[in-house]
Amino acid sequence: AQTVTQSQPEMSVQEAETVTLSCTYDTSESDYYLFWYKQPPSRQMILVIRQEAYKQQNATENRFSVNFQKAAKSFSLKISDSQLGDAAMYFCAYRSVGGSQGNLIFGKGTKLSVKP
Amino acid sequence: ETGVTQTPRHLVMGMTNKKSLKCEQHLGHNAMYWYKQSAKKPLELMFVYNFKEQTENNSVPSRFSPECPNSSHLFLHLHTLQPEDSALYLCASSSTQGSNEKLFFGSGTQLSVL
Repeated sequence: AQTVTQSQPEMSVQEAETVTLSCTYDTSESDYYLFWYKQPPSRQMILVIRQEAYKQQNATENRFSVNFQKAAKSFSLKISDSQLGDAAMYFCAYRSVGGSQGNLIFGKGTKLSVKP
Repeated sequence: ETGVTQTPRHLVMGMTNKKSLKCEQHLGHNAMYWYKQSAKKPLELMFVYNFKEQTENNSVPSRFSPECPNSSHLFLHLHTLQPEDSALYLCASSSTQGSNEKLFFGSGTQLSVL
């Protein structure tokens, strides 16, 4: 069975600085999807970024980028120029290619605080 | 606002009560999902509905009963719950047509079982 591990329960970053959130996963599959979701105090989970395992190029979305290391089974999220609105819980998630879109395996999350 | 609305936002119930959680999406999606988010545990998928048909039930106890009358509405009927069922219940929807497979989540119902 697949597992997702986020080893940092909490992280803190100064406004305008860069922070990296870690995620590792375990799978025997060769093709899959990886996601980072953000959950602000409003509780709505919001997709931040998505990576397809067969693509070697790291995904980017504005200030958010990932470092996808397939051999190491690592999928870290880098947030550049951190803003106060980035403060939230961040969840790493895995999905098999053949599964339903909602069949995600989530990590336990990292709480990110942004200091003004 | 993601287009997925959940009510109520908060719910307190006794173990002998019967209550229902409601989810509504205005995005034209065909798939809807229920998740359970417990403190200090990863988010868990409970049920999946695709075109109103239940396609997945991840070993959820029968005291949780889902209902999907149409592609826009999803309910979770609760009865004789246990204190360990206290959690945030999140609904999500998506379109399984085409290549855009983004999930849209509601704000959840925070449930407390006394």
